[in-house]
This record gives sequence, C-alpha cells and structure tokens, in this order.
Amino acid sequence: DAEITQSPRHKITETGRQVTLACHQTWNHNNMFWYRQDLGHGLRLIHYSYGVQDTNKGEVSDGYSVSRSNTEDLPLTLESAASSQTSVYFCASSSRSGGTDTQYFGPGTRLTVL
Amino acid sequence: AQSVAQPEDQVNVAEGNPLTVKCTYSVSGNPYLFWYVQYPNRGLQFLLKYITGDNLVKGSYGFEAEFNKSQTSFHLKKPSALVSDSALYFCAVRDDQAGTALIFGKGTTLSVSS
Repeated sequence: DAEITQSPRHKITETGRQVTLACHQTWNHNNMFWYRQDLGHGLRLIHYSYGVQDTNKGEVSDGYSVSRSNTEDLPLTLESAASSQTSVYFCASSSRSGGTDTQYFGPGTRLTVL
Repeated sequence: AQSVAQPEDQVNVAEGNPLTVKCTYSVSGNPYLFWYVQYPNRGLQFLLKYITGDNLVKGSYGFEAEFNKSQTSFHLKKPSALVSDSALYFCAVRDDQAGTALIFGKGTTLSVSS
C-alpha cells in the first residue's frame, strides 16, 4: 500500500545545531507539504512543493528550508535550531489538481530543541 | 484572507448521543473545506471534504458534515457517538494564497463518555 513516512519519529537536539527531518511518500504525488503543530495554533504551513525543483514558503518559513530533488522526498532542514522550533512536524502529500485533492499525512516527528 | 474557526476547544458527549463539532470559515472565492481527525500520537486522518454539490457530505466512520453557505459553516456531525470517536478534530480550508495547501482551525477535542 502507498504511504507517507517520516523519520525520525522523535528527535532531541541542542540550540544552534542543524537538523534535517525526512519525509518520503510512495503515492507518487506531485504536491508535498510541511506543517508544524503547536498547542493553540492548530497546524501551520512551513513550506510546500508542487514538483521536482519547486519549493515555496509558507506562513512560518523563517529558519526552515526544503529541497525537492525527486518526487518521493521532501526533507525539512532547520538551519540553526531554536527553542521556538520545538514542535511536532507533519509532512503531507496530495496529487496534482485544482486544490480539491485530499492531503495524506505522515505520522509526525516530535522535535525538542534544548 | 482565508481563515477557519473552531469556536469550541472541547466538546463532551455521552456515548449514543448525537455529536456536533462546529466550524466556520471565511474565504474570498469558492470554499473547499475538509475535516481531519487526529488520535493521540498519530498523524491526521482524512474524514470528509466539501468541494461542490450536495450540502450534506458523508465521510468515514459514520461522520457527515453540513455545508451552510449563508452561515459560512461546515459543522461535523454524527448521529450516535462512540467512545472510540474521542480524538482531536480539525477543520481546514484550502489556502488560495498557497495553492493547494490548507489552513487549519485550532482543533476541537471530542470526549465521548461511556
């Protein structure tokens, strides 16, 4: 069955370190998204991509970057981790359409920045 | 700008009773609306969506939602609640500023007691 996976599931790091969170999907979806989930805020969009070599900034992109070298993967990098980036991160994907297609979510990565 | 509001942080209902989780939205164009559910330590699971057509949308696990254009609402409903329905529920609307990404409400915790 097609799926979307994230790794690691849990990560503890220190302030100032670079961290990369992996997202891999086997749906063959063109669209991929990164969100962060914080209490009282729901999910907020960090970055998104509509295909290979395409990346776009979302609402809360400062301090994060992504790259899309193939269809299956969209890694999220925290250039210099900050305590404010302690959160649960979700990756999602959807097929190419006019925005009506369902997004499928990964299981999430819980990141703690000390 | 698009937005979605879930006015209740928590909804409590007894097993067997009907449940409603409220959602209101604000969009500049056609509303594309979604409901997701999140169980503890899990990713988001798709329940249903409204794109166009019938105002009553049926989804997974016996859930349905009623689209009301005049009241700009998209309430989630179920005729008879189960204890296993206890979870965190998110309403979302497509973000026209970010292509096919979603804007999420803050979430409503549903607690079903036996």
